[in-house]
Amino acid sequence: DSGVTQTPKHLITATGQRVTLRCSPRSGDLSVYWYQQSLDQGLQFLIQYYNGEERAKGNILERFSAQQFPDLHSELNLSSLELGDSALYFCASSVGGGKDTEAFFGQGTRLTVV
Amino acid sequence: AQSVSQHNHHVILSEAASLELGCNYSYGGTVNLFWYVQYPGQHLQLLLKYFSGDPLVKGIKGFEAEFIKSKFSFNLRKPSVQWSDTAEYFCAVNARNTGFQKLVFGTGTRLLVSP
Repeated sequence: DSGVTQTPKHLITATGQRVTLRCSPRSGDLSVYWYQQSLDQGLQFLIQYYNGEERAKGNILERFSAQQFPDLHSELNLSSLELGDSALYFCASSVGGGKDTEAFFGQGTRLTVV
Repeated sequence: AQSVSQHNHHVILSEAASLELGCNYSYGGTVNLFWYVQYPGQHLQLLLKYFSGDPLVKGIKGFEAEFIKSKFSFNLRKPSVQWSDTAEYFCAVNARNTGFQKLVFGTGTRLLVSP
């Protein structure tokens, strides 16, 4: 157990819908990172939040957004879903926000868009 | 920008066979290198990492990796695999003095070890 909790574990939804994925970081960690893992593209960095503020942005679509709340949990919102958004979404957490070279991953949320 | 190539997408071995998974990266500067493992239904976890020093790095569960700077490679090895090593393995790289958010992952190698 990494200490990072993601809910739900599985999600099936229809095209055009909106979903919210949740991540609770390890106790004491201030950074949360979101990743998308698809079969053809591997693990792609989406976005990082540090202590409530956006810190870094990767290949995140405009239809996707995230936030980190005062209790440090984070949510990834995916809207206007397309079939191609079906993937495994991971979050990871680390202590700091800049030069941390290690983070701990959750078990992921498997999203299936039908 | 960095990139990582893992040429073997699927590897099937029998128990006790030796393992070598290839990882090549593309970046002209100094790098940090990592291998992560994802067991079925579980989270990614760190196997080993290289920042500097001895290019032969020992990790958990009997794994090791060798950094060969001239070849831009960081291959993962294990002398004798077990059924419990069945998992997906990811190589990752970031530039020295950058953070986790800059980590670039390879597409992964699925290892199946048959008993």
